[in-house]
Formats: sequence, C-alpha cells, structure tokens
Amino acid sequence: NAGVTQTPKFRILKIGQSMTLQCTQDMNHNYMYWYRQDPGMGLKLIYYSVGAGITDKGEVPNGYNVSRSTTEDFPLRLELAAPSQTSVYFCASSYSGNQPQHFGDGTRLSIL
Amino acid sequence: AQTVTQSQPEMSVQEAETVTLSCTYDTSESDYYLFWYKQPPSRQMILVIRQEAYKQQNATENRFSVNFQKAAKSFSLKISDSQLGDAAMYFCASMNRDDKIIFGKGTRLHILP
Repeated sequence: NAGVTQTPKFRILKIGQSMTLQCTQDMNHNYMYWYRQDPGMGLKLIYYSVGAGITDKGEVPNGYNVSRSTTEDFPLRLELAAPSQTSVYFCASSYSGNQPQHFGDGTRLSIL
Repeated sequence: AQTVTQSQPEMSVQEAETVTLSCTYDTSESDYYLFWYKQPPSRQMILVIRQEAYKQQNATENRFSVNFQKAAKSFSLKISDSQLGDAAMYFCASMNRDDKIIFGKGTRLHILP
C-alpha cells in the first residue's frame, strides 16, 4: 500500500521562483491536508480539502495555493518563494474529518 | 480561538518505566476530537491515540493511555513500560467540527537505556 505519497522529498529554490509540491493518496480518502513544520515547532495547517473541487484555508495560507481536481491529488503551489517558506511540508489524508490522518513522508524545502 | 499547549519541551524516562506527557487545550466547542501523534527521527507522523470528547472513558492503545479531563481541558498521554522505540517527538492535537486540526509545539521524549 502506497498510502500518501509526496514528491519531491527535497528541494532548494531561489527567492522568487515557483514550484508545486505534489501529493497523492490511494486510499480513496475524502479529506486532504497540507501542513508546514518549522524547526522545533508543531505542524501548522496551510490548506485543506474535504473533497474534489472543495478547498479551504487553514492557519497559514498566505503565499500558497492549492487545487483538488481529483480525489487522489492535492498539489500545493508556491508562486513567489520567500525565505520564510523554508520548512518541511507534510501532506495528509483521512476518510473524514474526525478520523485519524495518514501522513506522507514530508518534503524538505529550502529557499535561498 | 482553538489552542493546544504542551508545556514540556523535553522529557526523559528510564527504559521500562512509565512517563506522562502533558497537554492542555482550549476550545469553545462541546464536540471535538483529541489526538496524540508521534514523530520519530524518520519524520513520519504516526497516530498514537485518539479521544472523542463526548466519551468519558479514557482511550487506551496497548502501552499508551490518556487521562482526559474535559472540565480542566487536559489530555495527558501515559506511556507504560517505555521502550527505546518510543523515543520521538510527541504532538498533541485537537480538532473541532470545522475539521481544522491544531497541533501543539511538541514534547521530545528521550528513553534512557
């Protein structure tokens, strides 16, 4: 079982560049989430989706965009990378809102 | 606003002993969910235990159990018979009916052989 798959695992960007972090899940989960984890901190919710075509902002959405055209995929887009976006990004999914979330392995992103 | 506070940045416990990690939260909701997640050095987030606020009985999962005090808004995690593989960051989290989950800053647990 693949579960939640994130790509890439590591990436270095220059300030002002853009990129998309990919996330896909094969568990037919309705809910998907994007988090960022800064050093020594807990996870902060960036965006989430309760189903295809539906997305909503979390705690820290500024500087990011998401889309959910299919149940399986939930890409996170950084349009103009800034040093403050250096972090580890986690994608997660769950069957419903109150069910345990399954996490990907994370993407370590550095903006230089 | 929904908040989760873990007041112990780091803790240590001797192997085979019992340790309790503290967590307090604040919410205006009456119906919500609480979680403990474990993050080992591999960085993977793993669910340890889950508690539904409307259930008075404390959740238990093998060596892991919680002490859920709803009135005090406290949700501590007890690990019995600590093992070396329990060494990790532990995050407490709460989720309201709006499906947004809020994590605490974490407690790093060291297991001493």
